[in-house]
Amino acid sequence: EPEVTQTPSHQVTQMGQEVILRCVPISNHLYFYWYRQILGQKVEFLVSFYNNEISEKSEIFDDQFSVERPDGSNFTLKIRSTKLEDSAMYFCASSSKGLTDTQYFGPGTRLTVL
Amino acid sequence: SQQGEEDPQALSIQEGENATMNCSYKTSINNLQWYRQNSGRGLVHLILIRSNEREKHSGRLRVTLDTSKKSSSLLITASRAADTASYFCATGQGAQKLVFGQGTRLTINP
Repeated sequence: EPEVTQTPSHQVTQMGQEVILRCVPISNHLYFYWYRQILGQKVEFLVSFYNNEISEKSEIFDDQFSVERPDGSNFTLKIRSTKLEDSAMYFCASSSKGLTDTQYFGPGTRLTVL
Repeated sequence: SQQGEEDPQALSIQEGENATMNCSYKTSINNLQWYRQNSGRGLVHLILIRSNEREKHSGRLRVTLDTSKKSSSLLITASRAADTASYFCATGQGAQKLVFGQGTRLTINP
């Protein structure tokens, strides 16, 4: 069964450093998403991406964040200058038909900012 | 803004019993999705119910949706130890995002 994959599973970085989290969505899906979950809290929407552009973003997704689909398979989330409060589990998701369809989530990348 | 909120926050039952979790939300929705998350792991999609559906089944799972009350329930029948996890409802409307609730932590005691 096709699945969303994410790398790395765990990323440790120093405050102020740039990180890139990588995702490979399900191959025939057209809609891509990033969510995050701070430890012990609810899953929060960050951004959605369709047709090579951001379709919606949350207040969390400020200028420090960017997303890119550099080729036909990868979908990345970049945090330019990490802060301590960026420590969280980051989930990538994809769907074939947008919000009317199931969003399939990857296993997550645990980001720890020291 | 729409919001999925589950209750109870925690539920502990004996193996073999049924577990019922509820979710309430505040705005109109296109659909409502239930997910499971094992501790520290990813989100596993369980079931999607559309706004024009009232009930849906998948194996031991039964989901109901009452759009007039803006609520949904997830029933797990004949629970097993492996069902121990957190369960989240997520609602979406119009725009692209899913909004998750705080979740219900379900513990199945052997």
